[in-house]
Amino acid sequence: ETGVTQTPRHLVMGMTNKKSLKCEQHLGHNAMYWYKQSAKKPLELMFVYSLEERVENNSVPSRFSPECPNSSHLFLHLHTLQPEDSALYLCASSQDLVGGQPQHFGDGTRLSIL
Amino acid sequence: QKEVEQNSGPLSVPEGAIASLNCTYSDRGSQSFFWYRQYSGKSPELIMSIYSNGDKEDGRFTAQLNKASQYVSLLIRDSQPSDSATYLCAGSDRGSTLGRLYFGRGTQLTVWP
Repeated sequence: ETGVTQTPRHLVMGMTNKKSLKCEQHLGHNAMYWYKQSAKKPLELMFVYSLEERVENNSVPSRFSPECPNSSHLFLHLHTLQPEDSALYLCASSQDLVGGQPQHFGDGTRLSIL
Repeated sequence: QKEVEQNSGPLSVPEGAIASLNCTYSDRGSQSFFWYRQYSGKSPELIMSIYSNGDKEDGRFTAQLNKASQYVSLLIRDSQPSDSATYLCAGSDRGSTLGRLYFGRGTQLTVWP
């Protein structure tokens, strides 16, 4: 099993659809993150979870709804998305939230909004 | 606002040359730095971590940190075409309780045969 697994790898959806992105980590880490990566922009942190508790929401629109049922799984529920939401969505994990630790990324979900 | 700036590139070097990737950061509280390599369509992969001033070598890679100048660099010796990727610099405040990393926009490196 690779460290951080994301599904699906690619997703095309209309603006009125509802879909979910899934992330699973097999590293025994306690912190998980969602990032958005758009062309020519730095990685944008969206949400941070520690031991299933959300600790940061970076002014993300409510059409993105995260869920962390346990420390190994993280979901991002999507509804009524906009074309500008098309991007690569990356999940990452780290041992915990103590500063100075590296994060390990999944392969991402390439999202396209029609 | 904590920011990490990278030389925008793209950077193109011939096979066998040294590729030099640079990064500056705005927050003096940042103490830990990471270099990630991202191939097209793939996730960022951690290749180097550096926490103290000076050089850190790992195979063909050398990371350099100068906290006085707020400068981090990555040198790739004997560059190979397989090193062609986007390299992301990230900084972190060790005092942070949120585990946040601050990423640069990335530098695209092409190594031509």
